Amino acid sequence: QTVVTQEPSLTVSPGGTVTLTCASSTGAVTSGYYPNWFQQKPGQAPRALIYDTNNKHSWTPARFSGSLLGGKAALTLSGVQPEDEADYYCLLYYADARVFGGGTKLTVL
Amino acid sequence: EVQLVESGGGLVQPGGSLRLSCAASGFTFSGYNMNWVRQSPGKGLEWVSFISDSSTTIYYADSVKGRFTISRDNAKNSLYLQMNSLRDEDTAVYYCGAAFDIWGQGTMVTVSS
Repeated sequence: QTVVTQEPSLTVSPGGTVTLTCASSTGAVTSGYYPNWFQQKPGQAPRALIYDTNNKHSWTPARFSGSLLGGKAALTLSGVQPEDEADYYCLLYYADARVFGGGTKLTVL
Repeated sequence: EVQLVESGGGLVQPGGSLRLSCAASGFTFSGYNMNWVRQSPGKGLEWVSFISDSSTTIYYADSVKGRFTISRDNAKNSLYLQMNSLRDEDTAVYYCGAAFDIWGQGTMVTVSS
């Protein structure tokens, strides 16, 4: 069974920078896993932020960026805003399945 | 306005069946691969099923394989999820997603006796 692992929780100060990562139990994450990132706030549906490793949607704020880092997919928030406090999920594509990470609860404090 | 609206959720007994629907509007539904994703109360997101734009390719998570069936009707701009042999652990909000870009607000499914 494939497992995708994220940091359970992270804390960042307003205006700071934070990087969330996404690892696969099958080995290094590459662009072939088409990493996606989503933001979810309480009581809301998920919102897509990043697709195919580093591509932003038209609605994605410029402070969000995606990359590959040390064999993992990564989401970096630069100049964090209070409204960025949320749960963040990565998604990886496998041959015949898609798998979400367990999510990272980001606290802005 | 680009929109996905799920319906069909509700309370069902273990072993029962339910059919979820997802109505699309504001975009070219037939050009999108579609997914069902669920979220149990207080838990993370779980991918459930995928169907390609022309229904030629279908995938399921192991947790629902053999019990759930995904389908779509491009003429009606609609996606479906037939859920049979429901279990307590299927209790969740079910979201439909267009290529993971566009998401509905979800429909709640509760499996309980």
